Amino acid sequence: QVQLVQSGAEVKKPGASVKVSCKASGYTFTGYYLHWVRQAPGQGLEWMGWINPNSGGTNYAQKFQGRVTMTRDTSNNTAYMELSRLRFDDTAVYYCARDPDYDTLIGYFDYWGQGTLVTVSS
Amino acid sequence: EILLTQSPATLSLSAGERATLSCRASQSVSSYLAWYQQKPGQAPRLLIYDASNRATGIPARFSGSGSGTDFTLTISSLEPEDFAVYYCQQRRNWPNTFGQGTKLEIK
Repeated sequence: QVQLVQSGAEVKKPGASVKVSCKASGYTFTGYYLHWVRQAPGQGLEWMGWINPNSGGTNYAQKFQGRVTMTRDTSNNTAYMELSRLRFDDTAVYYCARDPDYDTLIGYFDYWGQGTLVTVSS
Repeated sequence: EILLTQSPATLSLSAGERATLSCRASQSVSSYLAWYQQKPGQAPRLLIYDASNRATGIPARFSGSGSGTDFTLTISSLEPEDFAVYYCQQRRNWPNTFGQGTKLEIK
């Protein structure tokens, strides 16, 4: 069965960076785009960007351009999202989520990781 | 950026009743709209994609309709496990955007 398992919670100081991992299993990792979506406490969902695990190509929401980097390690079926220059309002649960169609960018999310809470606190 | 506005913010109903949730887009998204369900402490779950197609494993009591700017998610007869927050999401334009959510609570 398809699973996306994310790394554990993080506490970071303002200005630091955080790197969250998302390990995929149960499907061909390089065949499906992966997205990152975040959710601030008690708030709605915000799309951050996607990565093509096959080519490594990425597309980021303009809001995060210059601060976010999405990468992947195909030998370990793992995707990463690094967010730099953290601010207090980056405190959120960060999710990885799979795009549903093989080798096609659709823009929906059919499988989700369990989420990683990133807390930015001084 | 396409803005999605969901209404109502909160909907209070009883099990067995019919729920109707709305999502309005600031510009046409054609049929490129999805609905997700999220329970506390859990990741969202895809319910409906392309406005009216049920995702794999989603019960038939969930249905979606609409096109252009106005969309509806209907739950025909509420089960206890349906009380949750529901989000709409568009994929017509990047960046993908979500509505602010409708909380479906037990009356």
